[in-house]
Amino acid sequence: QQPVQSPQAVILREGEDAVINCSSSKALYSVHWYRQKHGEAPVFLMILLKGGEQKGHEKISASFNEKKQQSSLYLTASQLSYSGTYFCGTIYSSASKIIFGSGTRLSIRP
Amino acid sequence: NAGVTQTPKFQVLKTGQSMTLQCAQDMNHEYMSWYRQDPGMGLRLIHYSVGAGITDQGEVPNGYNVSRSTTEDFPLRLLSAAPSQTSVYFCASNNGRTPGTEQYFGPGTRLTVT
Repeated sequence: QQPVQSPQAVILREGEDAVINCSSSKALYSVHWYRQKHGEAPVFLMILLKGGEQKGHEKISASFNEKKQQSSLYLTASQLSYSGTYFCGTIYSSASKIIFGSGTRLSIRP
Repeated sequence: NAGVTQTPKFQVLKTGQSMTLQCAQDMNHEYMSWYRQDPGMGLRLIHYSVGAGITDQGEVPNGYNVSRSTTEDFPLRLLSAAPSQTSVYFCASNNGRTPGTEQYFGPGTRLTVT
């Protein structure tokens, strides 16, 4: 089943923070996050494993709430380069396939 | 390394025609997959493979066939193109026999069926 992402779209001014959520109705094994610029292929951001581990890269971090079957992506002090569509991909067991959400479009204004 | 390559970049087909979208990777990755991306629908898994000779269906497999005779190549065949198959197609690969590591995506093939 496809995970549900929220919000579907968000507009920020440069320097503002954003949170993107990814929720599943099934127990999760791991969650992937990717960013896609217009007309380009998705690019990997990070993977989170169950256990609530929070990983980060520079000003982008994420968390995984196993009890809520939810992952959240945090973008701090957003930059123009953060614009794009963010996808979460969910994996339900160590041997299963990855299913992506419908995406969250992030627009950053100067 | 070239990474994941896809050909062609653009293709226009008439309804009923068949064609093969090519995908190759030079990273010795075992797990490969095909996605289609329609506006507002995100990435939907068509077929995937955990190694040479092993393939399985994803979320939207109807109308598509795959085979995996080598580790490097994972072609996607459209049997009889329909306008509903107009989409952008991405191939992806990752290390290991599961999707649990970073997926590398190809540049995509934009397919239009008239």
